[in-house]
Parts: sequence; structure tokens; C-alpha cells
Amino acid sequence: TQLLEQSPQFLSIQEGENLTVYCNSSSVFSSLQWYRQEPGEGPVLLVTVVTGGEVKKLKRLTFQFGDARKDSSLHITAAQTGDTGLYLCAGEEAGNMLTFGGGTRLMVKP
Amino acid sequence: ETGVTQSPTHLIKTRGQQVTLRCSSQSGHNTVSWYQQALGQGPQFIFQYYREEENGRGNFPPRFSGLQFPNYSSELNVNALELDDSALYLCASSYQTGREQFFGPGTRLTVL
Repeated sequence: TQLLEQSPQFLSIQEGENLTVYCNSSSVFSSLQWYRQEPGEGPVLLVTVVTGGEVKKLKRLTFQFGDARKDSSLHITAAQTGDTGLYLCAGEEAGNMLTFGGGTRLMVKP
Repeated sequence: ETGVTQSPTHLIKTRGQQVTLRCSSQSGHNTVSWYQQALGQGPQFIFQYYREEENGRGNFPPRFSGLQFPNYSSELNVNALELDDSALYLCASSYQTGREQFFGPGTRLTVL
């Protein structure tokens, strides 16, 4: 079973600060996905990265896939209180099975 | 277009009992995957159903079983419940295997 480790586990910052969340594995995945989960809801897909070295931007969020397709990062610029939530990375294996990391719980304070 | 729905929202059972959780996939989706999310952790893959057949299984014991019906809705059954089965159970549907998965809100199961 392939494992994904996320860091940090918890992050509490002030509104307007920047932050980076990391997702690392010793194995290669065919693609890597980032989700955001709010309390009482299921995860919602933010982005899928497929190609090593790929960078995708979604407004203030920047996602990067490592060259070797084993690691990824999520950078948020000028965080807002609405960014508060649980951020999950998930690696896709054959047959669409997703392996999730443990998550990073982000709290953005006003 | 209706999204993925799950029932019940919350459930309390005692150790040793059996439970059935239900999932209605998004319209047009023929693949359903089930995940277990323990408190403070990421979801763990239980199994996937594609066109009524099991299409992959994670590291869960046989007392976790499932079904997919002709309308592509699905059930997750857990026998002989244990305290560690307490978790949020998530269902996700997709148009086909390998496509984006859309998650339901989950069923919160508490085993006492």
C-alpha cells in the first residue's frame, strides 16, 4: 500500500499571510489530487495534477507536482477566513483507487 | 442535476450489531467508491463498484461488504461492528473508473 504524508497537520495563521502545505510519498502515483473538506461535508476536488513538474493555479491557490511525481505542494497567497478547512491530498492508483494523506487542518483567523 | 446523497446522516449502533449505509450516485454515474474516514484522519478506500461488480478493494476485512444496484445506487454493509468502526463513511461516484469522483456528505457512524 502506497502512503502519503502531509505536513503540517495543523496550521493556524492570520488573514493575509501566505502558507504552504506539503504532500510526500516514497511511491509514484499516476496523478495527484487536492481536496478541501468542510465539517459535515465530503471532500471537494480542487485540482488534479498529472505531469511531473506541473504547476496549476486556482485564483490564490498554486499547486505543484514534483518532477518525480512523488510529492506535491499547495501554496495559498494572502489567506482569507474562507480558506479555513481540511486540505487533503490523494494519489490515484490503478482503477481509480485514491490513497489519501492524513490532511492539513487550516485555520485562518481574522 | 442531483449530487451524491447518503443516508442516514447519523447512526448509533452497539458493538456486534450490523449496519447498512446507502448511497445514491450522481445522475449518469456508473461507478461508486466507499471510504472510511476516522476522526482527524484522511479517508481510507474500502472498495469500488463498477456496473454492479466489485472493481477493487482496500485493506478491509470481509465483514465489510457492498452492493451496487441496476440504478447504480449502492449499499455498504458492516457486520459484527467493532468500536474502531466508528467513523465518517463517504461515498463517491464517477462517470466511469478513472474519472473525477464526486463525494457525498457522508454518514457518521458511532459504535458504542
